[in-house]
This record gives sequence, structure tokens and C-alpha cells, in this order.
Amino acid sequence: SQQGEEDPQALSIQEGENATMNCSYKTSINNLQWYRQNSGRGLVHLILIRSNEREKHSGRLRVTLDTSKKSSSLLITASRAADTASYFCATDAGGTSGSRLTFGEGTQLTVNP
Amino acid sequence: ETGVTQSPTHLIKTRGQQVTLRCSSQSGHNTVSWYQQALGQGPQFIFQYYREEENGRGNFPPRFSGLQFPNYSSELNVNALELDDSALYLCASSLAGLAGETQYFGPGTRLLVL
Repeated sequence: SQQGEEDPQALSIQEGENATMNCSYKTSINNLQWYRQNSGRGLVHLILIRSNEREKHSGRLRVTLDTSKKSSSLLITASRAADTASYFCATDAGGTSGSRLTFGEGTQLTVNP
Repeated sequence: ETGVTQSPTHLIKTRGQQVTLRCSSQSGHNTVSWYQQALGQGPQFIFQYYREEENGRGNFPPRFSGLQFPNYSSELNVNALELDDSALYLCASSLAGLAGETQYFGPGTRLLVL
């Protein structure tokens, strides 16, 4: 079963606009990660935020984490057509069995030129 | 490019057959995780191998099995294929399988069961 839910399921914007995607999850986590997937191919790791962090930046990406609300958001600023992809959040509960990621169902982002 | 490779890229099988998918981990990584991604959904964790031993398993039946070799490459075997096994199978390698490590994904193997 999926741990998280992404919102919205699909998002269409114009180049240059900002895109915000939200993720909610159900259980306690060690960290939360965001991945990108182009056209059903492999996943590309974007950013990881630990449970004791509230905000993290990487280039045009900004991720927030609110553990009290069990939610995270990914902001892509100044979007480009090449940002068109599916974006997934994944939670990692940690523990003795190593790292296992539990993914949401993803947000399909379309950036129109 | 992550340095993680998978073979084959595409595969067509019929119901009841068996399939073996292969994954080569990134250099220096001793942990491989396998995920199943059905169309339109997020990936689901199948299992993880750390230093040739299974180190955690998701909610998949025993007909999903795996191996990890001394060079840390890995195989996923699925017996008695069912139509619902049609999916993209992704492997990911990480340095030591610890929580908080980045997992590096391969391009996937797309399996179609007819």
C-alpha cells in the first residue's frame, strides 16, 4: 500500500511559473525524499530532508517538511519545459532493516513552453 | 546516469512462466533494493539485499525471490507469472543500506505478462 498521497495528481503550468506539489504521509519517518521520473523510466533523486529539518534548498528546488502535520511540499521555481515529469515523494522509516522507501502515487507536472 | 544498469529493458512473458531480471549496482555500493511500479502508480518496495543476504521484504508473495552476488549485482526472480505482475521493475543501489542514504535507481525493466 502507498504511504503517501501527492496533491495535485496533475499540474499544468507555463514556463517561468512556479510549481508546488504536496505530499502527505501516515507514519513516523526518518527522512523524506523527492524523486523525479521521466516517461516511466528510472527515478532520479532530487532532495532528501531529515525529520529534524524543516526546510531545504537545492538550486531551483525548495522542500519543506512539517512532521506535526505529516506533510511535505516541493516547490520548483522558474519552471522550464524540461521539468516536465512525474514527481514522487518517498518516506523512509529507517530502523534495523535498512532503508526501504515508501512512495506516493506521484504528481504529473507539465510545463508548457 | 546513476551507474546502475538493468537488463533486459523490455520483456514479454505469458502467464505461468518464470522470469529473471538483473541489476548491476553502482561501484562501491553493497546494497540493492527492488521495486515494482504498476502503470500510473508509485513504486512499491519488494525487498532489499545487503551483502548477499535479504535485509527486509515488502508485501510480496514468496514467488518473488532474489539473489545478490559477491560483486553485489542482483537478480529478481518471479515464478508463476500473473497478469498483475505486468509493471516496471526498478532496482536501486545504495552505499550500505542505511536509512537516510540516497538510493540510485536504474532505468528499469518493463515486464508485460500476457
